[in-house]
Amino acid sequence: SAVISQKPSRDICQRGTSLTIQCQVDSQVTMMFWYRQQPGQSLTLIATANQGSEATYESGFVIDKFPISRPNLTFSTLTVSNMSPEDSSIYLCSVLGLGLTVNEQYFGPGTRLTVT
Amino acid sequence: GNSVTQMEGPVTLSEEAFLTINCTYTATGYPSLFWYVQYPGEGLQLLLKATKADDKGSNKGFEATYRKETTSFHLEKGSVQVSDSAVYFCALIGSGGYNKLIFGAGTRLAVHP
Repeated sequence: SAVISQKPSRDICQRGTSLTIQCQVDSQVTMMFWYRQQPGQSLTLIATANQGSEATYESGFVIDKFPISRPNLTFSTLTVSNMSPEDSSIYLCSVLGLGLTVNEQYFGPGTRLTVT
Repeated sequence: GNSVTQMEGPVTLSEEAFLTINCTYTATGYPSLFWYVQYPGEGLQLLLKATKADDKGSNKGFEATYRKETTSFHLEKGSVQVSDSAVYFCALIGSGGYNKLIFGAGTRLAVHP
């Protein structure tokens, strides 16, 4: 399995500000994903982070609100922009591919965001 | 579209009791099926998986069998421990080649001594 770290692990932010979350993997991976887990809920895919090109967003998520970067095969960032209390969630990155078993996705520890 | 339905929680058991968490799915073709576990305050861990019909995934005493005829992937454990208290998510990846995980709502398990 891959070792995945996320920074920050948690943060409390004010309404209207932005937060950038980092995801670092200890080995090169084919695919990286960002998920949101709202309080007491399941996980919803925000987007697939593509290396060297724009991210692929799921229905209901847009680049202006959740810009994503992936400059190389081991690192990605997710920015939550112009935050509101509804953005309070756990944000998780996951990885797939390149040396990992086919179809097995591994998750980072998550970033717990509270917006006041 | 693809979807996963899990039994509602919370499930409350005494230590050493038998555990079943039901999971059924809707998908075309032959999806891959997974169980993930989320311990309090932590991220998700892959618990087990099955990639074709009649496959049995197993790990840490947990088992689940891919039943194509009933479109089910129920999680079982013969004797639960307090340390198994967590939220369990059933999930699938469709057979269309796109690696999007579809999650069930999650089932919270609480095991008491």
